[in-house]
Amino acid sequence: AQSVTQLDSQVPVFEEAPVELRCNYSSSVSVYLFWYVQYPNQGLQLLLKYLSGSTLVKGINGFEAEFNKSQTSFHLRKPSVHISDTAEYFCAVSDNAGGTSYGKLTFGQGTILTVHP
Amino acid sequence: DTGVSQNPRHKITKRGQNVTFRCDPISEHNRLYWYRQTLGQGPEFLTYFQNEAQLEKSRLLSDRFSAERPKGSFSTLEIQRTEQGDSAMYLCASSLRLAGVETQYFGPGTRLLVL
Repeated sequence: AQSVTQLDSQVPVFEEAPVELRCNYSSSVSVYLFWYVQYPNQGLQLLLKYLSGSTLVKGINGFEAEFNKSQTSFHLRKPSVHISDTAEYFCAVSDNAGGTSYGKLTFGQGTILTVHP
Repeated sequence: DTGVSQNPRHKITKRGQNVTFRCDPISEHNRLYWYRQTLGQGPEFLTYFQNEAQLEKSRLLSDRFSAERPKGSFSTLEIQRTEQGDSAMYLCASSLRLAGVETQYFGPGTRLLVL
């Protein structure tokens, strides 16, 4: 079984400040890792994903995340946020066991990022 | 727009009524997922199709829920005898597995309110 914990339910930040949204996961098999963003009353949009290779992953809208296997973490960062980044962010994992495994996602509880002017 | 579409976007119904939601995936995607998202929570997996075959159902999917994907194209999710606890956002996602890797693309969701 897999689980995802997002350590902060809400993160307020001022415009142009840096931000980090924290995500820890637990799994008995190796995993793929994802960050999705959800704007009000919309579906989820993929920000970035870690599949293999370099542990620093760059995504859309200036976001990046770093995979840390020893700490089982996949924290999301942005060096300078904008008002338009205000949204809810979800960390997710899927099984990387290969073979007949499929991509069922297990999500964290979400972190609401609010960017203040 | 060639993304995942869902209809209706909103549904209000009375307890005990049946509702049906539709998902149209990205055309070349052979995998389709349904998730449920309640207020303040992340999405939770409900069921998964590869082409027309329903390969897994979550324990969240009680016998009042049924999903189909005829001909491996669009999918429907029906809830019979709705209960207030069914109120949630129902999300559909589609994906294509290539070289052992897949990425899910989500639709805008159907928000259900059961009165």
